[in-house]
Amino acid sequence: GAVVSQHPSRVICKSGTSVKIECRSLDFQATTMFWYRQFPKQSLMLMATSNEGSKATYEQGVEKDKFLINHASLTLSTLTVTSAHPEDSSFYICSARAGQLADTQYFGPGTRLTVL
Amino acid sequence: AQSVTQLGSHVSVSEGALVLLRCNYSSSVPPYLFWYVQYPNQGLQLLLKYTSAATLVKGINGFEAEFKKSETSFHLTKPSAHMSDAAEYFCAVSGVEGRRALTFGSGTRLQVQP
Repeated sequence: GAVVSQHPSRVICKSGTSVKIECRSLDFQATTMFWYRQFPKQSLMLMATSNEGSKATYEQGVEKDKFLINHASLTLSTLTVTSAHPEDSSFYICSARAGQLADTQYFGPGTRLTVL
Repeated sequence: AQSVTQLGSHVSVSEGALVLLRCNYSSSVPPYLFWYVQYPNQGLQLLLKYTSAATLVKGINGFEAEFKKSETSFHLTKPSAHMSDAAEYFCAVSGVEGRRALTFGSGTRLQVQP
């Protein structure tokens, strides 16, 4: 149980375009999802916390207008990178928590974004 | 505020040898502590977690970790390394009974030599 999927697994786009990444909890309802970013050979850095039905909470230094997060249902959160630039190239990983009282996050397999 | 320090960005052991990956934490609230493993180009898989119950926690794949409050440590061990254990390992902390986002350490890359 507790499977989280991400789509796409890998995407290459041109500078200036927008890219949408989906994060789905397959066998549980996720009231909270988290989006992390991981640069090569580095650790994960939290970008934002997404709660179903409300606006996402962004970490300091993360542009909310550039990284649009939508958590429209209990099984789906999306991250849209708008007007992508090469410096946005990274590994984006989502995680989901099953319920308000759950103490464990389950991670998706990640999405490798390359902006040319 | 919370933080995690993983000592040693790279650890190399021989197959069959003891694995010891170090993690020290700082937390202003009672911590929930986690160890995750990441294989290349993949997401994170939970190895084990400490949630204020037993201080010695057993996880998957033969790993275990011991919570030592006096040392603010949560080191990960495995008695005998396998080649398949080669991966990146992350220690993470979360407060408020694990309901907050995770703060990760910088990671430790484990190499297993034949």
